[in-house]
Amino acid sequence: ILNVEQSPQSLHVQEGDSTNFTCSFPSSNFYALHWYRWETAKSPEALFVMTLNGDEKKKGRISATLNTKEGYSYLYIKGSQPEDSATYLCAFGGNQGGKLIFGQGTELSVKP
Amino acid sequence: GAGVSQSPSNKVTEKGKDVELRCDPISGHTALYWYRQSLGQGLEFLIYFQGNSAPDKSGLPSDRFSAERTGGSVSTLTIQRTQQEDSAVYLCASSLRQVGNQPQHFGDGTRLSIL
Repeated sequence: ILNVEQSPQSLHVQEGDSTNFTCSFPSSNFYALHWYRWETAKSPEALFVMTLNGDEKKKGRISATLNTKEGYSYLYIKGSQPEDSATYLCAFGGNQGGKLIFGQGTELSVKP
Repeated sequence: GAGVSQSPSNKVTEKGKDVELRCDPISGHTALYWYRQSLGQGLEFLIYFQGNSAPDKSGLPSDRFSAERTGGSVSTLTIQRTQQEDSAVYLCASSLRQVGNQPQHFGDGTRLSIL
């Protein structure tokens, strides 16, 4: 059974703080690692799709790194803003079709 | 352009009734996925389609669940004889192709409540 773990489960930070979360996944049969942001009452939004070991991607104040050999990815948010409050999901894509296995998510709350 | 559209957005029904959930993917997307999130759980894969075929139905929890896709477009997820444990948010997503490095575009979901 494939297991994707995210930590922490929830995080409360002050506006302006930088933060990071972890996603661990199986290192075998790896094809891609996805990050999504899911705001309350909205649909999950794709942030990054990462495929190569050592990959690093950036979108504004958010960036992510990937280590496929040891099976982990970090998501970083620099200078958190209240609008960053959401659940951040990572998902493992294997080499058999497009099916994704999701972690439980990290719920981020940024207080003004 | 139009995103993934799901209907209904909310559905409340009595235990034992059948329900049908609909998903209209982004035009041109050949792959379509169904997931659900039960209370306190993560997103759980149910089934995916490539065109009208379903290569992987491994996530369907029981034979009360079925899904079909017609014309390479709209998909319906049907739950027969609903049970309380079927209560969840059902999400549909589509992607350009059915490979793991394609971002998936999600609809707003159907919140299903079984009384």
